[in-house]
Amino acid sequence: AQSVTQPDIHITVSEGASLELRCNYSYGATPYLFWYVQSPGQGLQLLLKYFSGDTLVQGIKGFEAEFKRSQSSFNLRKPSVHWSDAAEYFCAVGLRGSQGNLIFGKGTKLSVKP
Amino acid sequence: DVKVTQSSRYLVKRTGEKVFLECVQDMDHENMFWYRQDPGLGLRLIYFSYDVKMKEKGDIPEGYSVSREKKERFSLILESASTNQTSMYLCASSTTRTNEKLFFGSGTQLSVL
Repeated sequence: AQSVTQPDIHITVSEGASLELRCNYSYGATPYLFWYVQSPGQGLQLLLKYFSGDTLVQGIKGFEAEFKRSQSSFNLRKPSVHWSDAAEYFCAVGLRGSQGNLIFGKGTKLSVKP
Repeated sequence: DVKVTQSSRYLVKRTGEKVFLECVQDMDHENMFWYRQDPGLGLRLIYFSYDVKMKEKGDIPEGYSVSREKKERFSLILESASTNQTSMYLCASSTTRTNEKLFFGSGTQLSVL
């Protein structure tokens, strides 16, 4: 069955430290891959997406993610975390042609220490 | 920018009531979705629609129905609300022109007492 795993439920990092959020997927074919962010009380906002081509993708707010086919992973990174990055982050996958019918991971909550 | 508007930010209803959650998008998107979000469970798809008057069941459709009479509006209906339907409900829309990117509303926090 298709699935998305975010192994870390909650991560705390210090402001200015680097960040990596993990995402692994199980899919029959190479899917479209997404990272969304949800600030408290808000809907989800797209950070970045991978469809094809360069496996390192850049997103908004200084985030990037790398697609590693051999590891079925799509980890999100940021070199220096800001307090405003505190939020919940969701990895999602979708089949090409699925028209937005995505499967979401359970999310990783990020806390930022001053 | 695409706007997905959910009519209520917070709702409090009683067990057994019929509840309507409304969602409107303003970008002529073909596809619309209803998710529920619960702590530790992430987002789970309830229903989706790829066209007017068309609907498909998602992963957890039990206890819910939907209506899509117009392209821009997608309604989620709880026929007889129960306490286990207390949750955050998120509406989203997409179009194949943007390669599966979902645009989300701000959510409706529903409490069933």
